[in-house]
Amino acid sequence: DTEVTQTPKHLVMGMTNKKSLKCEQHMGHRAMYWYKQKAKKPPELMFVYSYEKLSINESVPSRFSPECPNSSLLNLHLHALQPEDSALYLCASSQEPAYGELFFGEGSRLTVL
Amino acid sequence: KQEVTQIPAALSVPEGENLVLNCSFTDSAIYNLQWFRQDPGKGLTSLLLIQSSQREQTSGRLNASLDKSSGRSTLYIAASQPGDSATYLCAVPNAGGTSYGKLTFGQGTILTVHP
Repeated sequence: DTEVTQTPKHLVMGMTNKKSLKCEQHMGHRAMYWYKQKAKKPPELMFVYSYEKLSINESVPSRFSPECPNSSLLNLHLHALQPEDSALYLCASSQEPAYGELFFGEGSRLTVL
Repeated sequence: KQEVTQIPAALSVPEGENLVLNCSFTDSAIYNLQWFRQDPGKGLTSLLLIQSSQREQTSGRLNASLDKSSGRSTLYIAASQPGDSATYLCAVPNAGGTSYGKLTFGQGTILTVHP
């Protein structure tokens, strides 16, 4: 089962709201990732968790706050977002933290009003 | 800094054609290269991962080749079908530095296979 599950699939929020995106994998992978993708562009890395510890933060604004409660779950907490943060947010996982094959979820489409 | 380029940017072919998508990278010190497919508004689906020690990897009608020394990979799709229509992305992990393992993606090739 090579599945990464993301919820919700769609999210609309105002600039003052607080919301969270969730990601789950049951493949025993030790690395989990958040990517952001704008239309007609490749995904851009935001965060990497390796063995449940934050290993890479690509200088993401603090209004995005990742959390890894356990090895199967990854959250992205959203607060005080801007309209330009509207995008497809993709979660991924890999067996190896650095060079393993990446498996992506279907994404959460975020619209910030 | 690794740079990944995909050619062509878009490709439109009739059903049944065999086709080749190209991916080139500037730093040949790669560990592997991964090909993905993305349907509109969806996540990325891993198609093939080819290790640096491999020359080819096959899955069904797909065949990926890798030439590290020349910094190139090709994705060959045999007997294309309308269901193959999607954006195809290649990606390589960075080697070393503070972002080691981070994937560098190409800009993608948008493939349309018409009946």
